[in-house]
Amino acid sequence: NAGVTQTPKFQVLKTGQSMTLQCAQDMNHEYMSWYRQDPGMGLRLIHYSVGAGITDQGEVPNGYNVSRSTTEDFPLRLLSAAPSQTSVYFCASSVGTSAEQFFGPGTRLTVL
Amino acid sequence: ELKVEQNPLFLSMQEGKNYTIYCNYSTTSDRLYWYRQDPGKSLESLFVLLSNGAVKQEGRLMASLDTKARLSTLHITAAVHDLSATYFCAVDMYGGSRLTFGEGTQLTVNP
Repeated sequence: NAGVTQTPKFQVLKTGQSMTLQCAQDMNHEYMSWYRQDPGMGLRLIHYSVGAGITDQGEVPNGYNVSRSTTEDFPLRLLSAAPSQTSVYFCASSVGTSAEQFFGPGTRLTVL
Repeated sequence: ELKVEQNPLFLSMQEGKNYTIYCNYSTTSDRLYWYRQDPGKSLESLFVLLSNGAVKQEGRLMASLDTKARLSTLHITAAVHDLSATYFCAVDMYGGSRLTFGEGTQLTVNP
């Protein structure tokens, strides 16, 4: 199993550009989440999904969209990048509530 | 609003010493997680605590949960340099694996 994979590893955007961060898992996990981590802070939940076709907002959803068309994939879209979105983004998955979450390697995003 | 607070935020200790990291949270929950993060790396799951009084141990680390006090502890026994990392606690109050994280405790173990 590859576990949770994320692409790209690094990305530099200009203000106003859009892009999609990819996340995939091969563990047949129903639950997937996106977090961002800013320097000196813990992770904050952006969006999450409890199964294909079901998504909802987390703590900091503004400026981001998600969709979940398959169990395996959970892409995060930045609609119009802003410098405040400079961060490290982690995708995570788990088999269900109360189960441990497995985190991907992260995407380091810089918005100029 | 759920708040998760860790202390200390920075901890420098000598090899061989014991210490405890505290994780307090503001709203009732019986699902608490501990993670480790090395610099520039992802998060590694350490412990999943799912009931009041739960205690789990792995090597030199032991985690416990007191849901009535809304407190979890991560105890380090006879620290070694390899334990240097940032440790996060996280609480799932709503279910659905929606975690609220503490700020993290940056641990440095000195020879």
